[in-house]
Amino acid sequence: AAGVIQSPRHLIKEKRETATLKCYPIPRHDTVYWYQQGPGQDPQFLISFYEKMQSDKGSIPDRFSAQQFSDYHSELNMSSLELGDSALYFCASSLGGSSTDTQYFGPGTRLTVL
Amino acid sequence: GENVEQHPSTLSVQEGDSAVIKCTYSDSASNYFPWYKQELGKRPQLIIDIRSNVGEKKDQRIAVTLNKTAKHFSLHITETQPEDSAVYFCAASGRGAGSYQLTFGKGTKLSVIP
Repeated sequence: AAGVIQSPRHLIKEKRETATLKCYPIPRHDTVYWYQQGPGQDPQFLISFYEKMQSDKGSIPDRFSAQQFSDYHSELNMSSLELGDSALYFCASSLGGSSTDTQYFGPGTRLTVL
Repeated sequence: GENVEQHPSTLSVQEGDSAVIKCTYSDSASNYFPWYKQELGKRPQLIIDIRSNVGEKKDQRIAVTLNKTAKHFSLHITETQPEDSAVYFCAASGRGAGSYQLTFGKGTKLSVIP
């Protein structure tokens, strides 16, 4: 079965640079979520989209923005990168826009900021 | 917002023994409680979930119980195997209309000793 696809899988950036992470949800899924996971920590919710509209916002820095496109893929744009942004970034997708929908996680993008 | 507490943070069991992980949540509006298994550097993988209209769910060696009155839920793994060793996260979601972010517990590192 098709899974969530994330690209790139690894990304190395310098401080103050920008980065764009991409997420392709499971086919027919209409909701996308972004999570950030630091070393040894639990995933922290950043932002989500349902049917191409922002549906919820968590602890996402103002330096980050995201959107969901007409084909349902999503991109997380990160600017003025800081050392503390180094983390695993997971995208998850679900179908239905309900609070009880199962969220399926992608393999993640490991971002390293030097 | 929702707060999820998870115990214990580490758990070591002998192969074949049972493991129990417990979580409590704060928001009585939460109505979806998934459990994820995460190996080092990998994606969180859903192992079982429960919705607020049931009190218990079982899938082979894994079971989850939910007590909405007390606002706690538990994961039970029987006949543990070395490949069960991983970090396990509980999560909760469901707070009204819109998208539904998962709030995770801090995780339990399970070690199954052969």
